[in-house]
Amino acid sequence: DAKTTQPNSMESNEEEPVHLPCNHSTISGTDYIHWYRQLPSQGPEYVIHGLTSNVNNRMASLAIAEDRKSSTLILHRATLRDAAVYYCILRDVGNRDDKIIFGKGTRLHILP
Amino acid sequence: EAQVTQNPRYLITVTGKKLTVTCSQNMNHEYMSWYRQDPGLGLRQIYYSMNVEVTDKGDVPEGYKVSRKEKRNFPLILESPSPNQTSLYFCASSFTARGGETQYFGPGTRLLVL
Repeated sequence: DAKTTQPNSMESNEEEPVHLPCNHSTISGTDYIHWYRQLPSQGPEYVIHGLTSNVNNRMASLAIAEDRKSSTLILHRATLRDAAVYYCILRDVGNRDDKIIFGKGTRLHILP
Repeated sequence: EAQVTQNPRYLITVTGKKLTVTCSQNMNHEYMSWYRQDPGLGLRQIYYSMNVEVTDKGDVPEGYKVSRKEKRNFPLILESPSPNQTSLYFCASSFTARGGETQYFGPGTRLLVL
């Protein structure tokens, strides 16, 4: 069973911010939250990850709820190239569980 | 260039004919993994390997075998392919299995079993 829950699809207008939610109510204290995205006809690529604090990098920001049961990937200014499937996954920091469960992700549509 | 490579990229075969899909990484990563991707089902992990000679089942291991004799290579073996193994396969690697490590994915292998 997927450890994370995401909406099947979302739409956003080009050049506007996008907030992609992810619920992970059974997260453990040693799970990192990772986000990957998969562009059409490509393998998944890393976007961002975090443990407790909010994180920023050149691609996106990750906002983690205080109780860590949910997180939000923020694309500050969406472009057509951001149209992809976005996956939120958990990965244990202490090797407690080495399996990785991706789930179905959120398909993001960007409207010009 | 740091990368994960897979071969072949496309393969058409017939039921029961053994095949191997190769995966190689040049980043000295300990953790390697195989996924399959099917419409509506997302990415599902088949097998993973923590290091040389250490492999374990993922969520959908039935009908597949793997081996990890060298750190850089992690081949996926289908001893007797069936049509329900028609899928898009991805190999991935990360430095370790620890939670903060990023996974790097290969370009994918599209397999059709007739």
